[in-house]
Amino acid sequence: NAGVTQTPKFRVLKTGQSMTLLCAQDMNHEYMYWYRQDPGMGLRLIHYSVGEGTTAKGEVPDGYNVSRLKKQNFLLGLESAAPSQTSVYFCASSSADRGRYSYEQYFGPGTRLTVT
Amino acid sequence: GDSVTQMEGPVTLSEEAFLTINCTYTATGYPSLFWYVQYPGEGLQLLLKATKADDKGSNKGFEATYRKETTSFHLEKGSVQVSDSAVYFCARFGNEKLTFGTGTRLTIIP
Repeated sequence: NAGVTQTPKFRVLKTGQSMTLLCAQDMNHEYMYWYRQDPGMGLRLIHYSVGEGTTAKGEVPDGYNVSRLKKQNFLLGLESAAPSQTSVYFCASSSADRGRYSYEQYFGPGTRLTVT
Repeated sequence: GDSVTQMEGPVTLSEEAFLTINCTYTATGYPSLFWYVQYPGEGLQLLLKATKADDKGSNKGFEATYRKETTSFHLEKGSVQVSDSAVYFCARFGNEKLTFGTGTRLTIIP
C-alpha cells in the first residue's frame, strides 16, 4: 500500500498562474481533506470531502477549488495564484467507520508551493 | 468554536530527559483527541489517540491521558532520544473536522 500520495512535491508559480495539486489514496477511504501548513499556525483545513462527488468548505477556502470525481482522488486547484498562497499543502484521508477507526487521518508527504 | 492550545516551542532537551508538552482543548461535545508527529520533510503521522475521558493513549514510550475535568491532553515521555526530534501537534476531532494546535518543535541534543 502506498497510502496517501501527492503530486507534485515542489512547485514554483508566478502570481496569476493556475495549477492543480493531486492527492491519491489506496485505502478505500471515504473522507479526504486538504490542509495548508504555515509557520506558527499549525494546519488549517481548506476543503474536505465526505464521499465521491461531494465537497465542503473548511476554515480557509477562499482562492481554492476542489473536485472529487473518483473516490481515490481529491484535486485542489488554484485558479489565480497569489503570494499569500505560498505554503506547504497536505492531503489526508480517513475511514467513515468512526467506531472502529476513531477519526484517524492519514497524511500525504506534502507539496511545497511558492508563489512569486 | 473548536480550538486546541498547545505549548509554544521550541523545546530543547538533553537526551534521556523527561518531556511534557501541554495541550488543552475546547470541551464542546465529546471530541476525540490526538497527538501527531511530523519528522523533517515528512507529512504528519499519528502518534497516539484517546477517544473518551480517562483514556490513556500510548505509543513509542509517549503517553497522554484524556482529562475532561481540566480539558487537557498533555504529552509525556520519560526518557527522550535524539530520534524524537520533530514537531508535535495536538488535535481534536469534532463536527467532522480535525482541529490542530500550532505545533511544538522539539529538539533533543546528545
